[in-house]
Amino acid sequence: RKEVEQDPGPFNVPEGATVAFNCTYSNSASQSFFWYRQDCRKEPKLLMSVYSSGNEDGRFTAQLNRASQYISLLIRDSKLSDSATYLCVVNEGSARQLTFGSGTQLTVLP
Amino acid sequence: GAGVSQSPSNKVTEKGKDVELRCDPISGHTALYWYRQRLGQGLEFLIYFQGNSAPDKSGLPSDRFSAERTGESVSTLTIQRTQQEDSAVYLCASSLSTGGRGTQYFGPGTRLTVL
Repeated sequence: RKEVEQDPGPFNVPEGATVAFNCTYSNSASQSFFWYRQDCRKEPKLLMSVYSSGNEDGRFTAQLNRASQYISLLIRDSKLSDSATYLCVVNEGSARQLTFGSGTQLTVLP
Repeated sequence: GAGVSQSPSNKVTEKGKDVELRCDPISGHTALYWYRQRLGQGLEFLIYFQGNSAPDKSGLPSDRFSAERTGESVSTLTIQRTQQEDSAVYLCASSLSTGGRGTQYFGPGTRLTVL
């Protein structure tokens, strides 16, 4: 079983739509959680951290459910510029520091 | 300030040759990471440096791969006797703090093609 699992997509949505991505992690001792964004042929960049109480940054909302070992990312009013691959990232508490999911590909269509 | 830089940006080599990839982290970042990303796939952890020491080398795929870091700055990833399956983008990241709490800042990567 993969340590961090994501639906690879692709998700193709029209501009203005709301889209949600899910991620599950296997290590219950995981401590920190993040969403990174990777544009085509570019390096990953931090989108937002995920806090236990859930957190929002503009159109983006992240949720964490420790009991179910589940993380989500909600994008409201999607823009063309949101098209990218979204990586779920978990700190398992090991020396490896961060474990990356394989990513969910999003394409926002005009 | 300058971000993480990597060189070369692209490297094409023949099977069996050795290659050396370089990473310059953000100044002051003590943690440095190497990842590999094959086409259409996720990031594969290779090795992590805390200062000049490498507490976790568990991701290195074989003994053909080695990495070092000097002066708590520049790191080099060396692949000996390259194979076609080594073709990938090699990404370096650095972080101010350890324990997975620090944001990792990635370089643009080195795209390695082994013919």
